[in-house]
Amino acid sequence: GQQVMQIPQYQHVQEGEDFTTYCNSSTTLSNIQWYKQRPGGHPVFLIQLVKSGEVKKQKRLTFQFGEAKKNSSLHITATQTTDVGTYFCAGFSTALIFGKGTTLSVSS
Amino acid sequence: DGGITQSPKYLFRKEGQNVTLSCEQNLNHDAMYWYRQDPGQGLRLIYYSQIVNDFQKGDIAEGYSVSREKKESFPLTVTSAQKNPTAFYLCASSRTSGSSDTGELFFGEGSRLTVL
Repeated sequence: GQQVMQIPQYQHVQEGEDFTTYCNSSTTLSNIQWYKQRPGGHPVFLIQLVKSGEVKKQKRLTFQFGEAKKNSSLHITATQTTDVGTYFCAGFSTALIFGKGTTLSVSS
Repeated sequence: DGGITQSPKYLFRKEGQNVTLSCEQNLNHDAMYWYRQDPGQGLRLIYYSQIVNDFQKGDIAEGYSVSREKKESFPLTVTSAQKNPTAFYLCASSRTSGSSDTGELFFGEGSRLTVL
């Protein structure tokens, strides 16, 4: 069945360092979505990527969708303490399947 | 305010008891979902519904039941058959679920169930 794998599971950075999380699917995806969940909160939608090779930016966040539409990444430039949380990718093939998430911690 | 309301936020249950978690949305979304979240496990799909009076099992449906009698409501019952029910339960909705363009999922604030 469809699987979405996300690495790393945990990442700790110093404030100001960059951060990247990677998402890989066992099947070709129609689209991929990214969500952020703050500690104690619920997931909140960040973005959806649809096109092969698509790159989208939101301030310090850069999202990429692979050429083969089987992988994606989220890169945060110059992390801040407000970036703390768990980042999930969710890929749609026959259903929307979530990865296990990458939990980011940031020390100042 | 438009959104998804889950209740209760915290729930304690004794072993052998069924409990029902409420999920209501006023976003006029067709699709609704229930996910279970355990530490380090991400979000696992329990059930989803694309339309009133219809629902499908997700990856971990055993020990759970749902109904979709109204567009706005998608309650989840955790039955005594669920072996390890202690978890954080999240309800979500989206415009649709049957195509590749589901639109974003809107999540409720979650219900934390603890079995004593």
